[in-house]
Amino acid sequence: DTAVSQTPKYLVTQMGNDKSIKCEQNLGHDTMYWYKQDSKKFLKIMFSYNNKELIINETVPNRFSPKSPDKAHLNLHINSLELGDSAVYFCASSQDLQGWGVGTDTQYFGPGTRLTVL
Amino acid sequence: QKEVEQNSGPLSVPEGAIASLNCTYSDRGSQSFFWYRQYSGKSPELIMSIYSNGDKEDGRFTAQLNKASQYVSLLIRDSQPSDSATYLCAAYQAGTALIFGKGTTLSVSS
Repeated sequence: DTAVSQTPKYLVTQMGNDKSIKCEQNLGHDTMYWYKQDSKKFLKIMFSYNNKELIINETVPNRFSPKSPDKAHLNLHINSLELGDSAVYFCASSQDLQGWGVGTDTQYFGPGTRLTVL
Repeated sequence: QKEVEQNSGPLSVPEGAIASLNCTYSDRGSQSFFWYRQYSGKSPELIMSIYSNGDKEDGRFTAQLNKASQYVSLLIRDSQPSDSATYLCAAYQAGTALIFGKGTTLSVSS
């Protein structure tokens, strides 16, 4: 069973469209994250949710809206897509945000969604 | 601004040699440190985590942490061509987010 899964794996769309990426984890973790990896391979946090509550919202345009229906799912909706949004988006999860136990702050990554905006 | 710095490489070593990857971090509040390996087109895969000063060994991998110098390293012994990948160093402070370096590309030649 895949621990952290994302759909779709590839997404090609036109500028101005709205798209969503879904993420699910079956690890029983409390915390989930969205990262963006640009063309230079730099991996940067976008959002994190802990038990469905938004904890971290880095300086991301408000065209990006995360939603967590339950602690096993974290979706990312992007409005009015721009060329600069082209990147690989990774979902990740960890057992908890505070790292109370050794290893509980370890993050496990999904396979990524390659978004191409034309 | 919290930063993690890595030499982008490429670092080239012959098969069987020791590869040494280095990383420095700016935030003294960081408490956990991670090395991830990322093959081209794949997701980051955890190699090692380290929380205390000193060395931590796991098979051919040894992570070293020096909090006074704000320095983390990863040694790969008996390097194999399959170790060729980008290695990402990351630092974490509780309640915040993983801060990644830009990665070091390792090439192991047979």
